[in-house]
Amino acid sequence: QVQLRESGPGLVKPSETLSLTCTVSGGSISNYFWSWIRQPPGKGLEWIGYVYDSGSTNYNPSLKSRVSISVDTSKNQFSLRLRSVTAADTAVYYCARAVYCSNTACSAGGIDAFDIWGQGTMVTVSS
Amino acid sequence: QSVLTQPPSTSGTPGQRVTISCSGGSSSIGRNTVHWYQQLPGTAPKFLIYSNNQRPSGVPDRFSGSKSGTSASLAISGLQAEDEADYYCATWDDSLNAVVFGGGTKLTVL
Repeated sequence: QVQLRESGPGLVKPSETLSLTCTVSGGSISNYFWSWIRQPPGKGLEWIGYVYDSGSTNYNPSLKSRVSISVDTSKNQFSLRLRSVTAADTAVYYCARAVYCSNTACSAGGIDAFDIWGQGTMVTVSS
Repeated sequence: QSVLTQPPSTSGTPGQRVTISCSGGSSSIGRNTVHWYQQLPGTAPKFLIYSNNQRPSGVPDRFSGSKSGTSASLAISGLQAEDEADYYCATWDDSLNAVVFGGGTKLTVL
């Protein structure tokens, strides 16, 4: 079955760039939308953005000026870059597969819901 | 502050039925389907309900969802100790052009 795994530094200094990679195994990255979602300690979930296998993207307006998400289909990976981080960016970062859901089933090609999640990786912003 | 509003917490005893509400607006729940996620302590969220009331394979039929207007609900019947978790609703918001989540509801099984 498809599995996702996040990787990257667990500690980033303020004002620097947070960089994470999500590796997709057990299936192809093609034909799906892929997202990053974060969760500050003790708080709720926040959608960061998505990338399609073509490279097209869409970002949360609240983060749009600082975020970029890219895809490398040859490596079955997609990546997150968040610039100019502050302590408020400290969170568990999840990568997830997005699917289109009709009234009866979910499939590739849309971003209705997130059916597969990585285990998450904690990123702390601190000097 | 989340675009979708959920009660911060709820509780129930084993065997009981509990419901969790999720309130949105005309550009979110009013126009799009609602999905629910279950997050057990210390783990990643799990896909629980899609398209308002559908269960992915493997999700017990004790979990059900509904939607009416700009609100949605998750119901859990025959409550079990293993259901103790945080529950999140989510949908697409046409005005924000973004996925939005509720703030989450912590379910305690007494």
